[in-house]
Amino acid sequence: DGGITQSPKYLFRKEGQNVTLSCEQNLNHDAMYWYRQDPGQGLRLIYYSQIVNDFQKGDIAEGYSVSREKKESFPLTVTSAQKNPTAFYLCASTPAQANYGYTFGSGTRLTVV
Amino acid sequence: GQSLEQPSEVTAVEGAIVQINCTYQTSGFYGLSWYQQHDGGAPTFLSYNALDGLEETGRFSSFLSRSDSYGYLLLQELQMKDSASYFCALGQAGTALIFGKGTTLSVSS
Repeated sequence: DGGITQSPKYLFRKEGQNVTLSCEQNLNHDAMYWYRQDPGQGLRLIYYSQIVNDFQKGDIAEGYSVSREKKESFPLTVTSAQKNPTAFYLCASTPAQANYGYTFGSGTRLTVV
Repeated sequence: GQSLEQPSEVTAVEGAIVQINCTYQTSGFYGLSWYQQHDGGAPTFLSYNALDGLEETGRFSSFLSRSDSYGYLLLQELQMKDSASYFCALGQAGTALIFGKGTTLSVSS
């Protein structure tokens, strides 16, 4: 079955360490997105990519980095520059130019101690 | 930029009908979509309105009025499993969706 896989489901890291969250899709979607969700909050956009080797910053890109070397993969690195990284991270994808019908992964819950 | 407002909480009983409103501000035309998220889970797509009017999908319907910058999600014949958070989202092709903060729906028996 096609879908989006995020791994790991839970991640614990020490303050000051960089950590990379994985997002892989086999839906043949062109566009991929990273959102952050805090308790009681909506989804805030971190980065998105419409095509391979190209990506754009979202509203809260500071302290994060991404790469898009393959159509299927869009990893997110949470750097030590991110002041408050503990959150639920969601990856999504859509066919090209679609502004609805996002398919989401099951998320990674990152806790920094 | 764009922004969306929706109520933080709504409560209802099984079998009832509930309407979740969403008002938005945007400088251009965007489609309005709705997502459901159960606690700890991933959001799932429910409905989309590109044009004014009502879209019906089973027990769920969504409405959009672009002139009023307003939309709503209507849930009929509520069931316990409908207890979840519901998000409206504004989007334009070629960019990324902007989400509201979500409405937590609690359905009681």
